[in-house]
Amino acid sequence: SAVISQKPSRDICQRGTSLTIQCQVDSQVTMMFWYRQQPGQSLTLIATANQGSEATYESGFVIDKFPISRPNLTFSTLTVSNMSPEDSSIYLCSVDGIFSGLAGAISSTDTQYFGPGTRLTVL
Amino acid sequence: QKEVEQDPGPLSVPEGAIVSLNCTYSNSAFQYFMWYRQYSRKGPELLMYTYSSGNKEDGRFTAQVDKSSKYISLFIRDSQPSDSATYLCAMMVRSTLTFGKGTMLLVSP
Repeated sequence: SAVISQKPSRDICQRGTSLTIQCQVDSQVTMMFWYRQQPGQSLTLIATANQGSEATYESGFVIDKFPISRPNLTFSTLTVSNMSPEDSSIYLCSVDGIFSGLAGAISSTDTQYFGPGTRLTVL
Repeated sequence: QKEVEQDPGPLSVPEGAIVSLNCTYSNSAFQYFMWYRQYSRKGPELLMYTYSSGNKEDGRFTAQVDKSSKYISLFIRDSQPSDSATYLCAMMVRSTLTFGKGTMLLVSP
């Protein structure tokens, strides 16, 4: 597996502002994902963060609201823009396809490992 | 009908009990089946992963998949208070994970 960290761990924000969440992995990975976990609900995939290209968004999520960056194989950011109380949630990043070994082999495919999450409250 | 159904609980058991957690699904294309454990205010932690029908055992945990019935289970033997958490089933097809809502488990000493 990989060690995944997220910043901030929690935040309280005002309506109309934006927050950028960072996800850092201690290994290079092929795939990074962003999820939302609302109270009493399933984890919902927001988008797949693609290295060097635009993120792939799921139905109901748009780039203007949730811009994503992925500048390299170990880091990604998710911005929650123009926030409203409905955006209060836990935001999680996950990774799949961890590079290992000198030959650049990919291990841990078809499984996803999650970061600790960012708990966002919008007032 | 949701793609993955999971009873949210809570499920309360005494320490030492055998726990059975279950999910049903409707999409026969799902290829991989996982169980995650999530403690309060933490991210989901991968517990078990399997891709075939049958049983897979890891210590006190056994994952069971029945593709013909579209039914998966997680059994916990000799449950401990430290097992108290929310257990999420998840299923994957083409790198896309679909989660159940999670079952909250409470193991009392």
